[in-house]
Amino acid sequence: GAVVSQHPSWVICKSGTSVKIECRSLDFQATTMFWYRQFPKQSLMLMATSNEGSKATYEQGVEKDKFLINHASLTLSTLTVTSAHPEDSSFYICSASRGRVTEAFFGQGTRLTVV
Amino acid sequence: GESVGLHLPTLSVQEGDNSIINCAYSNSASDYFIWYKQESGKGPQFIIDIRSNMDKRQGQRVTVLLNKTVKHLSLQIAATQPGDSAVYFCAEPQKYALNFGKGTSLLVTP
Repeated sequence: GAVVSQHPSWVICKSGTSVKIECRSLDFQATTMFWYRQFPKQSLMLMATSNEGSKATYEQGVEKDKFLINHASLTLSTLTVTSAHPEDSSFYICSASRGRVTEAFFGQGTRLTVV
Repeated sequence: GESVGLHLPTLSVQEGDNSIINCAYSNSASDYFIWYKQESGKGPQFIIDIRSNMDKRQGQRVTVLLNKTVKHLSLQIAATQPGDSAVYFCAEPQKYALNFGKGTSLLVTP
């Protein structure tokens, strides 16, 4: 089956610093990658959608200057949380699709804690 | 607005019993649904899907039922095992991404 790898699995950073999370599709080319955020005991909320080589499309309420998304190749997308604050602490999950959104595969998630 | 939601936030069942997790949706035009399992600290895993031209679909120990009349679908897990403890989400494609329901936490007790 298709494998999507996220790195790191968890990260602790100080307020004001930036953190980069990587999402890789290991055995397929992902035309589209999605970034979700999940707070404790809540559902996954879509943050943005990115297509290789083009700018990401952000959901309403998600600050594009704070959550920088780069989809540089068909196998790699990165999410950078800039000037992180404690309220950015959350579980970030990426998914990658090789065509239809219904064929999306999820990474294992990244637990971000901002102290 | 249109959304996918769940009736029960938590469900506790005894090992060996059957589990039923419910999901309501509001968009009558929805034609495809997916159930995901999310274990603690991990990303969602695909369990089973169903198209709107079907009422029922079976997998290994899981069955999804779709009632389009009342816009409701359910996930049935037979002979629930401790490894089934997780949060279960229904999801549907919405525009260009998946829209997830609120989730039901399933706890399997010995």
